[in-house]
Amino acid sequence: DGGITQSPKYLFRKEGQNVTLSCEQNLNHDAMYWYRQDPGQGLRLIYYSQIVNDFQKGDIAEGYSVSREKKESFPLTVTSAQKNPTAFYLCASSIPGFFKSGANVLTFGAGSRLTVL
Amino acid sequence: KQEVTQIPAALSVPEGENLVLNCSFTDSAIYNLQWFRQDPGKGLTSLLLIQSSQREQTSGRLNASLDKSSGRSTLYIAASQPGDSATYLCAVHSGNTPLVFGKGTRLSVIA
Repeated sequence: DGGITQSPKYLFRKEGQNVTLSCEQNLNHDAMYWYRQDPGQGLRLIYYSQIVNDFQKGDIAEGYSVSREKKESFPLTVTSAQKNPTAFYLCASSIPGFFKSGANVLTFGAGSRLTVL
Repeated sequence: KQEVTQIPAALSVPEGENLVLNCSFTDSAIYNLQWFRQDPGKGLTSLLLIQSSQREQTSGRLNASLDKSSGRSTLYIAASQPGDSATYLCAVHSGNTPLVFGKGTRLSVIA
């Protein structure tokens, strides 16, 4: 079955450490996204990528980095520069574009919960 | 900058009741609006997508309407069931940026 796989589901980080969250999709979608969700809050966009080898900063990119070397993969690194990284991280993918059938209907992974010790 | 607001933040209803969730957005120049469901600790599931040219979409007991000129959408849930208990999020696609999400409405349906 096609879908998005995020790993790990739970991750603990010590202060000063970088950690990488994995996101893999087999939906053949060109666009991929990373969102952060805090308790009682909506989703805030960290980074997105419309095509391989290209990505754009979202609203809260500071302290995060991404790469898009393959269509299927969009890993997110939470660096030590991110001062409050404890959150639920969601990866999504979609067909990009406007007014195309299925365009921008996001499919989400199950999420990764990061806790800083 | 697009902003999305959802009211109420939380709602508790008895089983069988019909209910309406509200979503408003500040920039009416949208491409589409989507409603999602999120169960605790899980990812989001897309429920309904309304293109800017459409007025409503229906799926089973769910009906979503869109009034683009007033910047509003509603999600109507008929004959609510305990299994409908979840957080419902509204998201808007406008400009050249990805979806902008509201904070969601947490729904509890009491048996």
